[in-house]
Amino acid sequence: DAKTTQPPSMDCAEGRAANLPCNHSTISGNEYVYWYRQIHSQGPQYIIHGLKNNETNEMASLIITEDRKSSTLILPHATLRDTAVYYCIVRGKTSYDKVIFGPGTSLSVIP
Amino acid sequence: KAGVTQTPRYLIKTRGQQVTLSCSPISGHRSVSWYQQTPGQGLQFLFEYFSETQRNKGNFPGRFSGRQFSNSRSEMNVSTLELGDSALYLCASRVDQDTEAFFGQGTRLTVV
Repeated sequence: DAKTTQPPSMDCAEGRAANLPCNHSTISGNEYVYWYRQIHSQGPQYIIHGLKNNETNEMASLIITEDRKSSTLILPHATLRDTAVYYCIVRGKTSYDKVIFGPGTSLSVIP
Repeated sequence: KAGVTQTPRYLIKTRGQQVTLSCSPISGHRSVSWYQQTPGQGLQFLFEYFSETQRNKGNFPGRFSGRQFSNSRSEMNVSTLELGDSALYLCASRVDQDTEAFFGQGTRLTVV
């Protein structure tokens, strides 16, 4: 079973911030939070990851709560090209740690 | 810098046959993992290889196997194909154990 839960779908107006939540209440101390997205018929694309501090890169920001039981991916100015399924995953650092994808959140950016 | 390359992109096989899919990771990446994606089950982890050793395996029958070569290229094999094996098979590579994975475009396998 996936270690994360996400809403199945969300809508966001073009140009507005998209805030995608993820619950990972059973996360352990050495597990990272990773976000990927998959645009229809393409391979998943890495977005961002973090351990406990908030992270930002050119694509998005990741906000992790202090207790690490949940996180939010923020796309600051959503565009139509951001329409995709977004996956939140928790995993340890090593290759011995399994990667389990949940069903993700289908984000629709609306003009 | 070339991305993860999977070949072939599309494949049609008959039940009972076997199939081999190939994955060339990004240059310098030592870890390769494989996933199966179907509409009903979503993205499911098959296995991960690191420096030619299988480090992890998902919950798939023994008909699914893989290997990694010294140049980090990887192959996965499915024997005695079933209709339910029709799926998008994705490969991802990482530099090392604690880095992000980069996915290929996948191989679309159809079993008839």
